[in-house]
Amino acid sequence: GQQLNQSPQSMFIQEGEDVSMNCTSSSIFNTWLWYKQEPGEGPVLLIALYKAGELTSNGRLTAQFGITRKDSFLNISASIPSDVGIYFCAGPRLTGTYKYIFGTGTRLKVLA
Amino acid sequence: GAVVSQHPSRVICKSGTSVKIECRSLDFQATTMFWYRQFPKQSLMLMATSNEGSKATYEQGVEKDKFLINHASLTLSTLTVTSAHPEDSSFYICSARDQIADTQYFGPGTRLTVL
Repeated sequence: GQQLNQSPQSMFIQEGEDVSMNCTSSSIFNTWLWYKQEPGEGPVLLIALYKAGELTSNGRLTAQFGITRKDSFLNISASIPSDVGIYFCAGPRLTGTYKYIFGTGTRLKVLA
Repeated sequence: GAVVSQHPSRVICKSGTSVKIECRSLDFQATTMFWYRQFPKQSLMLMATSNEGSKATYEQGVEKDKFLINHASLTLSTLTVTSAHPEDSSFYICSARDQIADTQYFGPGTRLTVL
């Protein structure tokens, strides 16, 4: 079945550093979504990507839809302590447009 | 922006009892809502799709008789965990699809602990 693998699984970074994480799939996705989840909360949408090669920014966040449509990347520039959380990629299943598969997650911890 | 609420935010119950969790779309109508389950340090896993006015559809491996879903109105879906056991302890998250905005919004989650 479809799976979304995220890398790295977790990371500690210094405040002010840039962060990169990626999401890969064995199958093609037509939409890539990036969410952030804070402890005890539901996921919040950060960026949505709809076209191969698309590069979209939301403040200090930038995400790209891979050309092969099997991967996506999220970058955070100049990290701050409130960037702490778990970042998930997600995409719709083949069989249902709005049934999402979530990636394994990247846990980010920022050291002040 | 659009908001989805869940009630309760956390619940503790005894083994064998049933627990109902509500998911409401506060400023839009949602013909379709989704229920996810998230175990500690794991990802979200889709359990079922809740359709207003019709039966829910369940993902493979999810027992429909154990996780009863009712979507009686365009703004409310309920998930009832029947005869709960400790292994049902988890974080349950709903999402609601805003058809007009073509966007899906997630609720804040409900933490269920079964003793």
